Amino acid sequence: DQQVKQNSPSLSVQEGRISILNCDYTNSMFDYFLWYKKYPAEGPTFLISISSIKDKNEDGRFTVFLNKSAKHLSLHIVPSQPGDSAVYFCAASSQAGTALIFGKGTTLSVSS
Amino acid sequence: DTGVSQDPRHKITKRGQNVTFRCDPISEHNRLYWYRQTLGQGPEFLTYFQNEAQLEKSRLLSDRFSAERPKGSFSTLEIQRTEQGDSAMYLCASSSPAESTDTQYFGPGTRLTVL
Repeated sequence: DQQVKQNSPSLSVQEGRISILNCDYTNSMFDYFLWYKKYPAEGPTFLISISSIKDKNEDGRFTVFLNKSAKHLSLHIVPSQPGDSAVYFCAASSQAGTALIFGKGTTLSVSS
Repeated sequence: DTGVSQDPRHKITKRGQNVTFRCDPISEHNRLYWYRQTLGQGPEFLTYFQNEAQLEKSRLLSDRFSAERPKGSFSTLEIQRTEQGDSAMYLCASSSPAESTDTQYFGPGTRLTVL
């Protein structure tokens, strides 16, 4: 039973446009959500996080939105750059500092 | 800040052999985590330590797996009697509750291939 779902395996976007990556979760006990980016043969790199008390967090080109009632979060990248091409993982935990539950990832391709 | 390091980066072994991986966390981080990632999947939690205490173990961590963090610094993950199904990327992460978000930072991983 997958508690964190990324239903789009891939996304293609042109350079300069917005990339929107989506994530759904089923466990209402999740309190803390993160996005990681992963290049081949490397470990995941932390991008941005949000706690359940907020509905938006912004860091430069990256913004995460949380809709608790829909159990949905999204990552917006504006503007998208070719260097953003990677696999993006959504992760959640019941509290910060405990086990993370990851989705299967979405492969983002940004073309110039 | 040198980041999380893992050794070796790659390991090829024959079925039935034992293997051991090492993880060195970010120096001021007292929490250390192990995850496993197979092709097409996200990382799956295995276990985590706070200092030298192992606080949580996943049911994925069978009896053939053992993790230690004897002095609360580096950690080792040993797999005994390896099976082909153990082939995966083994990821280590560390975090600090002193940081407001206690974010987990990952190392580069150890890719295990069991022949």
